Amino acid sequence: NAGVMQNPRHLVRRRGQEARLRCSPMKGHSHVYWYRQLPEEGLKFMVYLQKENIIDESGMPKERFSAEFPKEGPSILRIQQVVRGDSAAYFCASSAGSPGGSKNIQYFGAGTRLSVL
Amino acid sequence: DQQVKQNSPSLSVQEGRISILNCDYTNSMFDYFLWYKKYPAEGPTFLISISSIKDKNEDGRFTVFLNKSAKHLSLHIVPSQPGDSAVYFCAASVGGSQGNLIFGKGTKLSVKP
Repeated sequence: NAGVMQNPRHLVRRRGQEARLRCSPMKGHSHVYWYRQLPEEGLKFMVYLQKENIIDESGMPKERFSAEFPKEGPSILRIQQVVRGDSAAYFCASSAGSPGGSKNIQYFGAGTRLSVL
Repeated sequence: DQQVKQNSPSLSVQEGRISILNCDYTNSMFDYFLWYKKYPAEGPTFLISISSIKDKNEDGRFTVFLNKSAKHLSLHIVPSQPGDSAVYFCAASVGGSQGNLIFGKGTKLSVKP
């Protein structure tokens, strides 16, 4: 399967714990994006990364959230000290080229559903 | 402040008929528009896109129309099939260095046999 792979699919955390969500982009893609979807809402952009660089983090909450896309390995979205309001579906997407036009087709993974107890 | 709006939360269509899903936007800087389809517990699947320099793009049963002066786009599915039942999201982007897509809230399409 050469699609965008996210794991885990489901993640349960207690308040105050850390959540780590992983995303492996499609083969050949070096641009990764993270989105969050709350119930009955559309997807909201969080962060855009290329290998080893954060390009745009304008949608990331200022505290407790961080993202990385190391030279080797998957992209990680990390949420520290989770709260109930962090419960949502988190989707990762990847694209082959820089944003703009047909190369900005973002292909999505199946998502990680985070539940905070 | 919703820059991309899908004003119909749901739409029901008979199999074989045309489905028309609508999307309005407010940001005149958007230059690329996409439609995604999403089944429950899955990620969005890319369907079709259109650049702002065009007014129509067709791919099989799917056609997207763009009316820039009205800041409106629509997705036509003809003929509709029961397997098309899903939530459809309209998304838009500004070119250049900004990577994020701005999504509408989605329209749930039900195609009845």
